[in-house]
Amino acid sequence: AQSVTQLGSHVSVSEGALVLLRCNYSSSVPPYLFWYVQYPNQGLQLLLKYTSAATLVKGINGFEAEFKKSETSFHLTKPSAHMSDAAEYFCAVSDGGATNKLIFGTGTLLAVQP
Amino acid sequence: DTAVSQTPKYLVTQMGNDKSIKCEQNLGHDTMYWYKQDSKKFLKIMFSYNNKELIINETVPNRFSPKSPDKAHLNLHINSLELGDSAVYFCASSAPTSGSTDTQYFGPGTRLTVL
Repeated sequence: AQSVTQLGSHVSVSEGALVLLRCNYSSSVPPYLFWYVQYPNQGLQLLLKYTSAATLVKGINGFEAEFKKSETSFHLTKPSAHMSDAAEYFCAVSDGGATNKLIFGTGTLLAVQP
Repeated sequence: DTAVSQTPKYLVTQMGNDKSIKCEQNLGHDTMYWYKQDSKKFLKIMFSYNNKELIINETVPNRFSPKSPDKAHLNLHINSLELGDSAVYFCASSAPTSGSTDTQYFGPGTRLTVL
């Protein structure tokens, strides 16, 4: 069965600092991995996804993630945090099969301090 | 134009009532989903329809019944509401492409509160 683990339910950074949100996956098949962002009282918006092309994936708003098979990781980074990045971030895995079912991690709440 | 829309945005009701949440997408997608987000923000899939056919039915109480009148709409009807049904329900849609998994586009959510 597939699963994702997000280490750190809360992460706080200063504005301008590096953002690093951790995600590790478990999958018996080549995984498809996603990062979604949820702003307060809103739906989820796709930041980026990995579908077995380039291992370094660039997304929207300056975010990127690197797929590392040896570490079963797909960590999300941004070089310089902005106040508007404060939100809940979800890592998800899909088997890419007929059902396209997404299995989400428990989320990481990112706070950005001025 | 809103891609995936849900109505209502907020729903407050009493235990034992029956309620429906509607979802519509104007993206031309074939597949639609319902997810439940609990109070701890944990998201779990409930149902998925592809071209009006049910393809995912997780271990959800049978008080929950999805209905897809056409591929642009997926409604969720809940009978005999319980306190534990209080959550945010998200609709999503995706377009099938061969050889890769597809991005799911989410609606704004419906916050259901059962008193």
